[in-house]
Amino acid sequence: DIQMTQSPSSLSASVGDRVTITCRASQSINNYLNWYQQKPGKAPKLLICAASRLQTGVPSRFSGSGSGTDFTLTISSLQPEDFATYYCQQTYNTPNTFGQGTQLEIK
Amino acid sequence: EVQLVESGGGLLQPGGSLRLSCAASGFTFSSYSMNWVRQAPGKGLEWVSHIGSTITTIYYADSVKGRFTISRDNVKNALYLQMNSLRDEDTAVYYCARKLPSGYSYGLDYWGQGTLVTVSS
Repeated sequence: DIQMTQSPSSLSASVGDRVTITCRASQSINNYLNWYQQKPGKAPKLLICAASRLQTGVPSRFSGSGSGTDFTLTISSLQPEDFATYYCQQTYNTPNTFGQGTQLEIK
Repeated sequence: EVQLVESGGGLLQPGGSLRLSCAASGFTFSSYSMNWVRQAPGKGLEWVSHIGSTITTIYYADSVKGRFTISRDNVKNALYLQMNSLRDEDTAVYYCARKLPSGYSYGLDYWGQGTLVTVSS
């Protein structure tokens, strides 16, 4: 199975900060990497697919990059509604494993 | 509007069985692969199972293989998860999710609200 490792596991930041979350795959997954945002008590929301493809309706302050084994999710200027938990997921092969999550908290 | 609505969760004892359902609307259900994903209380997301649009491809996580069965009815626009031999560690919120095609790296673009399954003696 492909292991997905996110870092950091938690992060404290302020409104307006630039934040980067990384996700590393245990083997190459090309660009089969998706990013999700989850708020407490809610279902996950797909932000980015194919490593860098922003979903319709997702603010442009979110961006994704990477290919192969190393990927990043960047939020250029944090807004109050961005405080949530973020997950990466590989869909290169099954099982389609998720990272352990990064909890983004208000400083 | 795309909607996915899960049902069938509940409280049951270890060794029991349960069938989850996911009613889909607002899109051509038969054109999309579907997945089940679960989340144990306070934990991260765990992929559970996949079924292709025409049921030709079915996959399971090792943790549920041999105990869970995914199925779909493209006439009723419904997805199912038959869960047998349930264990304490199957306690989770179960989500159904629609899967995008390969050009979008199979991302899960629509999710239901989730249904809670609690396995406890």
